[in-house]
Amino acid sequence: EPEVTQTPSHQVTQMGQEVILRCVPISNHLYFYWYRQILGQKVEFLVSFYNNEISEKSEIFDDQFSVERPDGSNFTLKIRSTKLEDSAMYFCASSAQGGQPQHFGDGTRLSIL
Amino acid sequence: AQRVTQPEKLLSVFKGAPVELKCNYSYSGSPELFWYVQYSRQRLQLLLRHISRESIKGFTADLNKGETSFHLKKPFAQEEDSAMYYCALSRSSGTYKYIFGTGTRLKVLA
Repeated sequence: EPEVTQTPSHQVTQMGQEVILRCVPISNHLYFYWYRQILGQKVEFLVSFYNNEISEKSEIFDDQFSVERPDGSNFTLKIRSTKLEDSAMYFCASSAQGGQPQHFGDGTRLSIL
Repeated sequence: AQRVTQPEKLLSVFKGAPVELKCNYSYSGSPELFWYVQYSRQRLQLLLRHISRESIKGFTADLNKGETSFHLKKPFAQEEDSAMYYCALSRSSGTYKYIFGTGTRLKVLA
């Protein structure tokens, strides 16, 4: 069964540095999402992406965040200048159609020092 | 405001006992409801969605619009059901983003 893949599984970065989290969604999927989960808290929506543009973003997704789909397969989340509070598990998800169930990757654990 | 509430952080039951994981939601339109399961160190996996009305691994969930609930039930718990369970709400149009509950950890004791 096809899966969403995320790399790296764990990223350790100094505060203020840029970080790029990578995701390869399932190949025929059209809707892409990023979520995050701070330790001990709920999974929170960050951003959705469809038809090569952001379709919705949350209050968390400020100017420090950006997403790209640079080619036909990768979907990246960039944090330009990381803060301590960005430490979390970041999940990528994709779905074939709007309203279809989302398929999640294993997540990237981001630790900001 | 859109919200999903899972009141129990931890639910412990004995093997063979019935299980009910509670989920209540707040949404003004027609939501889509899902249950996802996360086994130890694995990804979030879809367990059920309300419109399919099917039973997966013995679990069922019925959408009760009057009580705004989508509780997950299983008549006889198995040890392999031990996992984290998340209830999620999605709009039926727009971006289809998920709003998650805080999750319930189910522990099935031998």
